[in-house]
Amino acid sequence: AQKVTQAQTEISVVEKEDVTLDCVYETRDTTYYLFWYKQPPSGELVFLIRRNSFDEQNEISGRYSWNFQKSTSSFNFTITASQVVDSAVYFCALSEGRDDKIIFGKGTRLHILP
Amino acid sequence: EPEVTQTPSHQVTQMGQEVILRCVPISNHLYFYWYRQILGQKVEFLVSFYNNEISEKSEIFDDQFSVERPDGSNFTLKIRSTKLEDSAMYFCASSPDLNTEAFFGQGTRLTVV
Repeated sequence: AQKVTQAQTEISVVEKEDVTLDCVYETRDTTYYLFWYKQPPSGELVFLIRRNSFDEQNEISGRYSWNFQKSTSSFNFTITASQVVDSAVYFCALSEGRDDKIIFGKGTRLHILP
Repeated sequence: EPEVTQTPSHQVTQMGQEVILRCVPISNHLYFYWYRQILGQKVEFLVSFYNNEISEKSEIFDDQFSVERPDGSNFTLKIRSTKLEDSAMYFCASSPDLNTEAFFGQGTRLTVV
């Protein structure tokens, strides 16, 4: 069975602070894929990143960075110097190599306060 | 930039009625999906579609639901005899290949009254 846990239901930080969103996953497969999606107040789902299980390199994209650690089954997402526009619900998600469906975590609602 | 488009953006229907939610996936994509999100909750997988047939479906996707790709561009979700608990945002998605990122449409908000 596959499962994605985002323990932080809601986080509030003041603008310009750094914030890390936690994601822990469970899977029995050795081949799997991890994703982060952003859902702003307008409701759409915006793809942020995809990682496969064989690539543990951390990734940085502007103010966003991701830390993938297989040893702890975690795929955490950090926003540096947060901005009000980062306010959204962020979903971590997983798909296994033999599956085409993506399983989403419950999401973390992030509030960036001006 | 190519995108997944969904119509209508909002649908209100009477309980017991049938609804059809429409989607136009990105043109060169091969995998198509429907997900739903009950208000304030997580995004749940309903069904995936590949090579003109259902490749996987969840427990939610029972006989009340069906999908179709009638003309090579549209991808529809039909919900027969809608129930109050079918009220949700329904997202269509497509991906170019297996396990690649899925690109989501803007969603159709279905309200069953």
